[in-house]
Amino acid sequence: EIVLTQSPATLSLSPGERATLSCRASQSVSTNLAWYQQKPGQTPRLLIYDASNRATGIPARFSGSGSGTDFTLTISSLEPEDFAVYYCQQRSKWPLTFGGGTKVEIK
Amino acid sequence: EVQLVESGGGLVQPGGSLRLSCATSDFTFSTYSMNWVRQAPGKGLEWVSNIVSSSNTVYYADSVKGRFTISRDNAKNSLYLQMNGLRDEDTAVYYCARNPNSRLYFDSWGQGTLVTVSS
Repeated sequence: EIVLTQSPATLSLSPGERATLSCRASQSVSTNLAWYQQKPGQTPRLLIYDASNRATGIPARFSGSGSGTDFTLTISSLEPEDFAVYYCQQRSKWPLTFGGGTKVEIK
Repeated sequence: EVQLVESGGGLVQPGGSLRLSCATSDFTFSTYSMNWVRQAPGKGLEWVSNIVSSSNTVYYADSVKGRFTISRDNAKNSLYLQMNGLRDEDTAVYYCARNPNSRLYFDSWGQGTLVTVSS
């Protein structure tokens, strides 16, 4: 099983700041990685797929990068609605796995 | 707009069974691979099972293999999860989720149905 480790567990930032979230895979997943956002009481929303492609309707302030084992989700300037939990997910090998999540909270 | 609506959750004793359903609409269900993903209270996401569009291939997480069975009825645009031998650790919100264009990501999610396993 491919283990995805997200860091930090919690990121405390102010609106307007840049957020950088990390996801590290226990073995190479090439670019077969996605990012999701989940707000309290809501279902997850696909943000980024194949490491760097924004899903439909996702604002340009969200960007993804990386390949192999190290990936980054960047939010260029945090909006109030961006404070949420973010998960990475790999589709390179069965079973599909998620990271443990990074909570982006208001400082 | 794509709609996924889960049902069938509830309280069940350890060792018991439940069958979850996911009714879908506004997309061509028969052409999409579908999944169940769960989330224990206050915890992260865990993929549970996948079924390809034609039902001839299924996949399971090790944690549910041999106890859960995924199935679909393309004529009814519906996805199912038969859960047997339920354990305390199966307590979670269960989401139905769609894979887009044969990529194993999840682009549409239902609102979820809560399964609570407790004596």
